[in-house]
Order: sequence, then C-alpha cells, then structure tokens
Amino acid sequence: NAGVTQTPKFQVLKTGQSMTLQCAQDMNHNSMYWYRQDPGMGLRLIYYSASEGTTDKGEVPNGYNVSRLNKREFSLRLESAAPSQTSVYFCASRIGSNYEQYFGPGTRLTVT
Amino acid sequence: KQEVTQIPAALSVPEGENLVLNCSFTDSAIYNLQWFRQDPGKGLTSLLLIQSSQREQTSGRLNASLDKSSGRSTLYIAASQPGDSATYLCAAERSGTYKYIFGTGTRLKVLA
Repeated sequence: NAGVTQTPKFQVLKTGQSMTLQCAQDMNHNSMYWYRQDPGMGLRLIYYSASEGTTDKGEVPNGYNVSRLNKREFSLRLESAAPSQTSVYFCASRIGSNYEQYFGPGTRLTVT
Repeated sequence: KQEVTQIPAALSVPEGENLVLNCSFTDSAIYNLQWFRQDPGKGLTSLLLIQSSQREQTSGRLNASLDKSSGRSTLYIAASQPGDSATYLCAAERSGTYKYIFGTGTRLKVLA
C-alpha cells in the first residue's frame, strides 16, 4: 500500500498562473481532505470530501476549488495563484468519522 | 469557534526523561482527538486517536489522555530518546463536523 500520495512534491508558479495538485489514496477511504500549513498558523482546512460525490468548504477555501474525481482521488485547483498561496499543501484521508486521518507527504508551493 | 492550543511551543529535554505535552481546546463537544508527529519537511504521522467515549490510548512509550470536562488532552512520552525529536500536533474534531482543528504544535528536542 502506498497510502496517500501527492503530486507534485515541489512547484513554483508565477502570480496569475493556474495549477492542480493531485492526491490519491489506496486505502479505500471514504473521506478526503486538503490542508495548508504555514509557519505560526498550523494546519488549516481548505476543503474536504466526507464521501465520494460530496465536497464542502473548510476554514480557508477562497482562491481554491476541488474535485472528488472518484473514491481514490481528490484534486485541489488554484485558478489564479497569488503569493499568499505560498504554502505547504497536505492531503489526508480516513475511512470516515471516528477514524484516524492519514496524511500524504505534502506539496511545497511557491508563488512569485 | 473551536480553538486548539498547544503549550509550550518548544521544549528541550535530556534523553531518558519522561515528558508531557499539552493540548487544550475550547469546545467540550469534542468527537475525536488525534495526536500526530511531524518531522522536518515531512508529512504528519498519526500517533494516537482518542475517541469521544474513551479516556486514553496507549501505544508503546506513548500514552494520550482526554478530559473533555477540562478541555485538555495530554501526550505522555516515557523514557524519551533523540529519535523522538519532532513537532507534535494535536487535532480536535467537533461532533458531526467531519473537520479537525489543529493546534500549532510543540517542537520537541531530546538531547543525547
């Protein structure tokens, strides 16, 4: 089992460019999450998908969109990147409520 | 609004000490509380999950407890080792929300 995988590992964008961060899990989990981690701010939830076919906003959704492509995959899109979106992005998944979350290795994004 | 606080932000101890990391939360309607470890530049590794109906969980040298009435969880690390050096994060999930709120972490350094 690969667990939770994320691509790419690193990315540099110019302001205004768009990109999609990919996340996949092979644990047959129902729920998937996108977080960002910034120094001094901790992890903050961007969007989540409680189950296939549903997505909901988290704490900091502005500037992002998500797609739950199927049960395995949950992508995060930045339509017009801004320097404030420079961060480390983590994807996580779990079977469902009342179960542990498992995290991917992260994507380090820099927007110049 | 749920807030999760971890104090101290950083801790340095000699090898072999037993130590306690603290996590405080403002909302007593906690569903789950999960402890994670994060090594520099890496993703989060799940350590222990305490469900709302439980008071504590143990794994090897780690013991986590949950006291909802006082809004506190503690992570006890016995006989600390240099390999325990990492940032420890707690995350609380409010009942029915599917969302975790993270603390900003305690950076632990165990000196050989």
